[in-house]
This record gives sequence, structure tokens and C-alpha cells, in this order.
Amino acid sequence: DAGVTQSPTHLIKTRGQQVTLRCSPKSGHDTVSWYQQALGQGPQFIFQYYEEEERQRGNFPDRFSGHQFPNYSSELNVNALLLGDSALYLCASSMAGAKNQPQHFGDGTRLSIL
Amino acid sequence: DQQVKQNSPSLSVQEGRISILNCDYTNSMFDYFLWYKKYPAEGPTFLISISSIKDKNEDGRFTVFLNKSAKHLSLHIVPSQPGDSAVYFCAATKIMYSGGGADGLTFGKGTHLIIQP
Repeated sequence: DAGVTQSPTHLIKTRGQQVTLRCSPKSGHDTVSWYQQALGQGPQFIFQYYEEEERQRGNFPDRFSGHQFPNYSSELNVNALLLGDSALYLCASSMAGAKNQPQHFGDGTRLSIL
Repeated sequence: DQQVKQNSPSLSVQEGRISILNCDYTNSMFDYFLWYKKYPAEGPTFLISISSIKDKNEDGRFTVFLNKSAKHLSLHIVPSQPGDSAVYFCAATKIMYSGGGADGLTFGKGTHLIIQP
């Protein structure tokens, strides 16, 4: 039973560029959430997708956008990259209809901005 | 404005003894709390959770206690083992009662637990 998978594992970009990160949820899960974890901090919630729509959003600018596909997989897009966007980006999946069920995380994508 | 706080950046415990990790929250809307464990170069792994209708939940060596009036929760690990050395994150959220699921998680900054032989 495959867990949450993310690609790529590592990515290096320069300021001003755009990046797309990908996530496949755990089998049976239909909700995908994205988090940004800066060094020495806890993960910060970016947004959550359910039924191919953004259901909830954290305190992140419009440069951060996403998409969810009919197979529940998801993409995170970041435009006009800044040095401060360097972080570990984590994807988590869960089941919308199940109460009190935890989110399961992938191993993340390490994004470095030069 | 940090809504979930873990005030101890690190904690050192001898193997076999009890490890107690603490977490405080400020948002009274939170009604579901989770602990995650994270090793370097891996994503957070779910450990144990508790709903606000309970004050204790136990799973093997791990017990989570919730004190709603104090807005405080703690994770007890007994006995502590070398493999427990990791960063532990406390997280909180609000359950969506219409349609199930939950809001995005709000995390603390983590506590680095070191188990000494």
C-alpha cells in the first residue's frame, strides 16, 4: 500500500523563476494539503484541495497556487520565486469523510533558491 | 502569533525512563490534536491523536493527555528507547463537521528528543 509520494526530491531554482511540485496521495485518500517547512520551524499550512477545488488556504500570497486532478493527485505551483521560498515542501493526504483521521505526509521536496 | 507552542526546543532523557513532551495552544476552536515524529530527510510520521471530547488516549508506549481548561497537551513515552530520538511536533486543527475531514494543521516548532543510553 503506497503512502504519499512527492516529486522531485530536491530542486534548485533561481530568483524569479517558477516551480511545480507534485504529490500523489495515499491510496483511498481524496484530500491533499500542502505545507512549507522552513529550517528550524514547524510546517506551515499553505492550502488544502478537495474535489479538485481549493477548500482552505493559509496565510500565503497568490504566488502560491495549486491544482488537484480527478485521480486526487495534486500540484503546487510557486511563481516569481524569492530567496525566502527556500524550504521543505510537504504534501499530506487524508480522507474527507472520515472524522478524527490523521493526515499522512510524504517525505517532501527540498527547494533551494539561489 | 503562534497558536501552537512547544516551549522546549530539546529534551534529553535516559533510555528506559519516561519522556514527557509538552504543548500549549491558544485557539479554543481547535478540537483535534495530533503528535508527529520526524527523522531527518523524512516526512512527519503520525504517532497519536486525541479528540477534545477525551482527556487521554493511549497507544502502546505512547499516551497523550489533554487539559482543555489549561489549553495544554502532553505526550508521554514509557519506556523511552533509542529509536525514539527524533523531532516531535504537536499539531492542532478543527474538525469540519459538515462533510467530515478537518482544517489544515497548525504546528508547533517541535521538540528534539534525545534518548541517551
